[in-house]
Amino acid sequence: DQQVKQNSPSLSVQEGRISILNCDYTNSMFDYFLWYKKYPAEGPTFLISISSIKDKNEDGRFTVFLNKSAKHLSLHIVPSQPGDSAVYFCAASPSGYALNFGKGTSLLVTP
Amino acid sequence: DAGVIQSPRHEVTEMGQEVTLRCKPISGHDYLFWYRQTMMRGLELLIYFNNNVPIDDSGMPEDRFSAKMPNASFSTLKIQPSEPRDSAVYFCASSPPRQSRSGANVLTFGAGSRLTVL
Repeated sequence: DQQVKQNSPSLSVQEGRISILNCDYTNSMFDYFLWYKKYPAEGPTFLISISSIKDKNEDGRFTVFLNKSAKHLSLHIVPSQPGDSAVYFCAASPSGYALNFGKGTSLLVTP
Repeated sequence: DAGVIQSPRHEVTEMGQEVTLRCKPISGHDYLFWYRQTMMRGLELLIYFNNNVPIDDSGMPEDRFSAKMPNASFSTLKIQPSEPRDSAVYFCASSPPRQSRSGANVLTFGAGSRLTVL
């Protein structure tokens, strides 16, 4: 059973606008949440993470929000750029062990 | 560092044949993970090692799959016999020791091995 869910398989956004990718989880023991970005024919690369004791973490154009009561997190990309077009994976782990991944959301940023 | 190195990048084989995928983790990393990516299931954890010892292999689909880590710089994932439903991209990833981390366990992934079983 998937403990990390990304219910939107794809998302299309215009360049310069905000991209919002969503993720839900079921396991209350998760203490870290991560986002990975994946280009075709490459492995996933780490983007940004957040600890369960925080509700927001920002790194340049990327911000991750965590709502523990709703077991929901989101990744905001502002402004979106064509180079951001990729598959984004949400991941979570309990106490620093292996990561549980969602199925991914394919983001397309159009000029 | 060259990152996590996987070989082969592509493998096409016939049903029933043995397949061996290889991985060299980042030097100094003591965790090694094998993941499989499919359209249906996304990225699923197959097995992971800590200090060359398998910690959790509950994700290994069945007895046809086996993984080994004979030393800190090499791991293999073997499928014998292979079946068409094993067709997927297999990723190896590594991460540093827990005591060296200040936060999340950030895995570094290899480029993957795309397996096609005919």
